[in-house]
Amino acid sequence: GESVGLHLPTLSVQEGDNSIINCAYSNSASDYFIWYKQESGKGPQFIIDIRSNMDKRQGQRVTVLLNKTVKHLSLQIAATQPGDSAVYFCAETDFGNEKLTFGTGTRLTIIP
Amino acid sequence: EAQVTQNPRYLITVTGKKLTVTCSQNMNHEYMSWYRQDPGLGLRQIYYSMNVEVTDKGDVPEGYKVSRKEKRNFPLILESPSPNQTSLYFCASSLSWGVADTQYFGPGTRLTVL
Repeated sequence: GESVGLHLPTLSVQEGDNSIINCAYSNSASDYFIWYKQESGKGPQFIIDIRSNMDKRQGQRVTVLLNKTVKHLSLQIAATQPGDSAVYFCAETDFGNEKLTFGTGTRLTIIP
Repeated sequence: EAQVTQNPRYLITVTGKKLTVTCSQNMNHEYMSWYRQDPGLGLRQIYYSMNVEVTDKGDVPEGYKVSRKEKRNFPLILESPSPNQTSLYFCASSLSWGVADTQYFGPGTRLTVL
């Protein structure tokens, strides 16, 4: 069946370095993708989104890249800070579908 | 403050004892949803509601009920809880669906069914 997955379950990065979190999706009909951040004891929090008519979108210290050819999504976090330590999820949907499909998450740990 | 609230935050119960987890949002959102989060499985949608009196099944609706009598509230009901419903539950809301509206999540309810 369709699934959204992540290549790496954990990632450790030195404070100040850049981090890249990857996500593979298999539903070729998906046309909208979201990255969420979930801190310990809290609910997921929207970070950034991208539509399938775009390859790249930038926010504050974050960039999402979409490669539709290989069905791959990535989240880049620049100059990581201790507050970036969290679990990051990708999610996908298409606008004809009234629900999101979530990946299992990658735990990002920032090393001081 | 714009937020989604859930109660209780933690609950330990026994098999078969009916329970309700409340969810309320103060943002006048039309779309509300319940998810469960289990290790290695990610968030899975239980039920969702497009508006008052409009609800539909998500991916894992078995053993759950919902109602949407008011726009702000979307309670999750477990009529006869079983141990396999032990999980972390999240309620979420967004302005609407069909456009890229941000979903806002509640803080979560950790349920243990003995």
